[in-house]
Amino acid sequence: EAEVAQSPRYKITEKSQAVAFWCDPISGHATLYWYRQILGQGPELLVQFQDESVVDDSQLPKDRFSAERLKGVDSTLKIQPAELGDSAMYLCASSTREKELTGELFFGEGSRLTVL
Amino acid sequence: GQSLEQPSEVTAVEGAIVQINCTYQTSGFYGLSWYQQHDGGAPTFLSYNALDGLEETGRFSSFLSRSDSYGYLLLQELQMKDSASYFCAVTGGFKTIFGAGTRLFVKA
Repeated sequence: EAEVAQSPRYKITEKSQAVAFWCDPISGHATLYWYRQILGQGPELLVQFQDESVVDDSQLPKDRFSAERLKGVDSTLKIQPAELGDSAMYLCASSTREKELTGELFFGEGSRLTVL
Repeated sequence: GQSLEQPSEVTAVEGAIVQINCTYQTSGFYGLSWYQQHDGGAPTFLSYNALDGLEETGRFSSFLSRSDSYGYLLLQELQMKDSASYFCAVTGGFKTIFGAGTRLFVKA
């Protein structure tokens, strides 16, 4: 069964350092999302792509976060510089346009970031 | 803006029935989804309601009342493996916003 792949699974870094997360969506899924999930809370949308275009990045802290999906397939989320409050799980999800409309997103296992 | 409210925790006994409620305030509402997430795992899709009424999928059912901006997830014949967090999520066109989640503890 196809899955959303994310790496790394775990990342520990010191504040002010740069970190990057990678996501490979399910083949054929045009929509890709990055969510941030703080422990004990629900996923919070950071950025949404349709193919290679950003369709929503209203909640992305653009002074330190950036995201790209250059060829409309895999995606990278970068944080520079990392702050203590960035410690969270970073979840990538993908979907087709049809399944989006019925709320069905397919999530990866996530990348857990700890900032010291 | 958009907001969703659901209880933070629910505890139930194995074999019992439990209902997890969700109320929402949103513009451009299309439907209500439910997701399950085990500790350390990925959220997985359970169900979606666009119209009023009950949708059944095995032991899980989901209900929506659009006029009341309210829905619930019903889990029957609870099993220990159902211990997890459950999130309701509103879909407004091509955007999905999640609630804070309900932690379900199933006791033997």
